[in-house]
Amino acid sequence: EVQVVESGGGLVQPGGSLRLSCAASGTTFINYEMNWVRQAPGKGLEWVSYISSSGSTIYYADSVRGRFSISREDAKESLYLQMDSLRAEDAAVYYCARGRYNDYFLKYFDVWGRGTLVTVSS
Amino acid sequence: DIQMTQSPSSLSASVGDRVTITCRASQSISNILNWYQQKPGEAPKLLVYTASSLQSGVPSRFSGSGSGTDFTLTISSLQPEDSATYYCQQGYSAHAPTFGGGTKVEIK
Repeated sequence: EVQVVESGGGLVQPGGSLRLSCAASGTTFINYEMNWVRQAPGKGLEWVSYISSSGSTIYYADSVRGRFSISREDAKESLYLQMDSLRAEDAAVYYCARGRYNDYFLKYFDVWGRGTLVTVSS
Repeated sequence: DIQMTQSPSSLSASVGDRVTITCRASQSISNILNWYQQKPGEAPKLLVYTASSLQSGVPSRFSGSGSGTDFTLTISSLQPEDSATYYCQQGYSAHAPTFGGGTKVEIK
């Protein structure tokens, strides 16, 4: 069974940085396209970032572009999200999610972790 | 970005009731529409993909329909374990996916 487990969340001051990690198991991580999705407390889901299986193609939501950086390390079967210049509105549970794609569309997110909580406060 | 609008934002129904949740896209998305169930403190779980295909292991009381801009998720006979928040999500814009605001389903 495919599993992903996020870590690295915590309390950070506005303007600070945090690096989230997502460890995969039970699958050939190198084959999969991965995403970060977040959920602010009591709010809905917001897609944050995407990275292709090769790591060569990356996308960001407008709300985080220029401040967040997604990366992967296939040898460690891990996905990362470097978050800089954090703002109060970045506070959320951050989920690592596997995306399944065809040539044109995102078919669905089929594997999700339990998330890691990021709190931004002074 | 494609905006997804869900209604209602919450509902309360009795066990055995038929429940319908709607989702409207701001532009046509063909059938590239998914539904997720999320219980408190848990990750979202895929229920229905490409508008009407049931994910493996999901009870048959769940069904989805629609295409273009209007979609529905139906629970044919509500069960206590269906108490959760439900989200629609479009994948038509593959690298800018968006979710609806969610529908919280409570059991009377």
